[in-house]
Amino acid sequence: DSGVTQTPKHLITATGQRVTLRCSPRSGDLSVYWYQQSLDQGLQFLIQYYNGEERAKGNILERFSAQQFPDLHSELNLSSLELGDSALYFCASSVAFGGQTGELFFGEGSRLTVL
Amino acid sequence: AQSVTQPDIHITVSEGASLELRCNYSYGATPYLFWYVQSPGQGLQLLLKYFSGDTLVQGIKGFEAEFKRSQSSFNLRKPSVHWSDAAEYFCAVGDPGGSYIPTFGRGTSLIVHP
Repeated sequence: DSGVTQTPKHLITATGQRVTLRCSPRSGDLSVYWYQQSLDQGLQFLIQYYNGEERAKGNILERFSAQQFPDLHSELNLSSLELGDSALYFCASSVAFGGQTGELFFGEGSRLTVL
Repeated sequence: AQSVTQPDIHITVSEGASLELRCNYSYGATPYLFWYVQSPGQGLQLLLKYFSGDTLVQGIKGFEAEFKRSQSSFNLRKPSVHWSDAAEYFCAVGDPGGSYIPTFGRGTSLIVHP
């Protein structure tokens, strides 16, 4: 158990819909990262938040957005969903900036299926 | 920008045999290097990391990796594989001069035969 909690574990929805994925980081971790894992793209970095502020952006679509709340939990919002958005979405956390400590702690992921 | 190549999509070994998973990176200087493992239905877990110093790094679960600057490689090894090692293995590179955020390779799936 990494200490990172993601909900829901599975989500099935239709094209055009909007979903919200939630992540609670490990106790004490200030950084939250979102990754998308798909068969064709592999593990792609989406976005990072540190203590409530956006720190880095990766390959995140404009239809996607995220935020980190004062209690440090984070939400990833996916809107106008397309079939290609079906993937496993991981949240990870670290104490500071991940590479400085050398370790990201990953949740078990939220599997999104868009029909 | 940094990148990582894991040339083997699948590797099959017999239980008890030795293992080497390949990883090549592209980066202008010495990057931060990581190996993560993903067991079925689980998130990724860090096996080991290299920042600087001794180029042979020991990790958890009996794994080790060797950083070879001349070959831009960071191959993962284990002398004797156990059936429980069957999983997906990801090499990752971080930019010590930038955001530190790991960029992951596509992964190598390890299959262990009894």
